[in-house]
Amino acid sequence: GQQVQQSPASLVLQEGENAELQCNFSSTATQLQWFYQSPGGSLVSLLSNPSGTKHTGRLTSTTVTKERRSSLHISSSQTTDSGTYLCAIASNTNKVVFGTGTRLQVLP
Amino acid sequence: EAAVTQSPRNKVAVTGGKVTLSCNQTNNHNNMYWYRQDTGHGLRLIHYSYGAGSTEKGDIPDGYKASRPSQENFSLILELATPSQTSVYFCASGDDWGDEQYFGPGTRLTVL
Repeated sequence: GQQVQQSPASLVLQEGENAELQCNFSSTATQLQWFYQSPGGSLVSLLSNPSGTKHTGRLTSTTVTKERRSSLHISSSQTTDSGTYLCAIASNTNKVVFGTGTRLQVLP
Repeated sequence: EAAVTQSPRNKVAVTGGKVTLSCNQTNNHNNMYWYRQDTGHGLRLIHYSYGAGSTEKGDIPDGYKASRPSQENFSLILELATPSQTSVYFCASGDDWGDEQYFGPGTRLTVL
């Protein structure tokens, strides 16, 4: 079945630095969604990006479908960006599979 | 803004007891999902539904039942709760598999 690998598992940055998060998946994806989860909180959708490049605020996602990978770039990180970032893939098997996430900590 | 609510937010149950987790969405989405989230496993799909009256097994359905009595409501039922079912449970809704999913706030279940 579909497998989703995220890297790095954890990342520590100083405020103002940029973050690059990776998501690799094993099978063709019809939908790819990036989520943010605050510590102890629920999931908030950040970007839906099955292919190409999308921007919202300080976030940029680039998905290369043929290479089965997606990245999430966070520019000028802030302490409030701290939390876990999850990548989720939907495929034509009608299942949504989540990666185990990247835990980001932004220090002041 | 999509709205998904869950109740209860926290629950402590005893082994062998029955637990019902409820989810309500006001988005008129066709699909609803129940996940559990555990350290080291990420989110795993338990059951899902395509619409009122439908329930389908996800990746880890054993020990769980689901009920979708209406478009808005989707319940997860643990007939005989076990300590291994201690987890955080999330409900989500979406129009279709290829569309974005909107998550509820989660229910923290502890089975003693």
